Amino acid sequence: GQQVMQIPQYQHVQEGEDFTTYCNSSTTLSNIQWYKQRPGGHPVFLIQLVKSGEVKKQKRLTFQFGEAKKNSSLHITATQTTDVGTYFCAGPNNAGNMLTFGGGTRLMVKP
Amino acid sequence: DVKVTQSSRYLVKRTGEKVFLECVQDMDHENMFWYRQDPGLGLRLIYFSYDVKMKEKGDIPEGYSVSREKKERFSLILESASTNQTSMYLCASSFGDSGLRPQHFGDGTRLSIL
Repeated sequence: GQQVMQIPQYQHVQEGEDFTTYCNSSTTLSNIQWYKQRPGGHPVFLIQLVKSGEVKKQKRLTFQFGEAKKNSSLHITATQTTDVGTYFCAGPNNAGNMLTFGGGTRLMVKP
Repeated sequence: DVKVTQSSRYLVKRTGEKVFLECVQDMDHENMFWYRQDPGLGLRLIYFSYDVKMKEKGDIPEGYSVSREKKERFSLILESASTNQTSMYLCASSFGDSGLRPQHFGDGTRLSIL
């Protein structure tokens, strides 16, 4: 079946450093979604990418969808302590009726 | 704002008990989902429903069943709870084409089976 993998699983950074998490799918995706889960919280939708090669920005966050629509990345510039949490990517299965989530990347930021 | 409400934040049950987890959403969403979340494994889909009385198996349906008698409510049932079902359970809902639309999650139920 479809697999969605994320690396790294964990990342410690010093506040102010940049951070990137990568997402790879075993199949071509019609779209990719990113979610953030704060410690003790629930996943919250951040953004959806649909087009091949698409790049979207939300303040210090840059999201990219690969040309082949099988991979994606989230880059955070100059991390802050408020960026702490686990970031998940998710893509629809071939039938388009459910999302498969990656294992998540847990970001920890040292002040 | 979409509100997805799960009936319990924390729940402790015993092995062999029948356990009900309830989820209600207030945005008239067609689709509802039950996931479990375990460290290092991300979110794994147990069951989902795209309409009243409809249900589809997700990736890990064994040991679980679901019920959707009303559009706003989706229940997860552990027929005979076992210790390996100790986990965080998350309910979500979405509008329209279920694989294409963002999902809105509840706060989760942390279930412990003793």
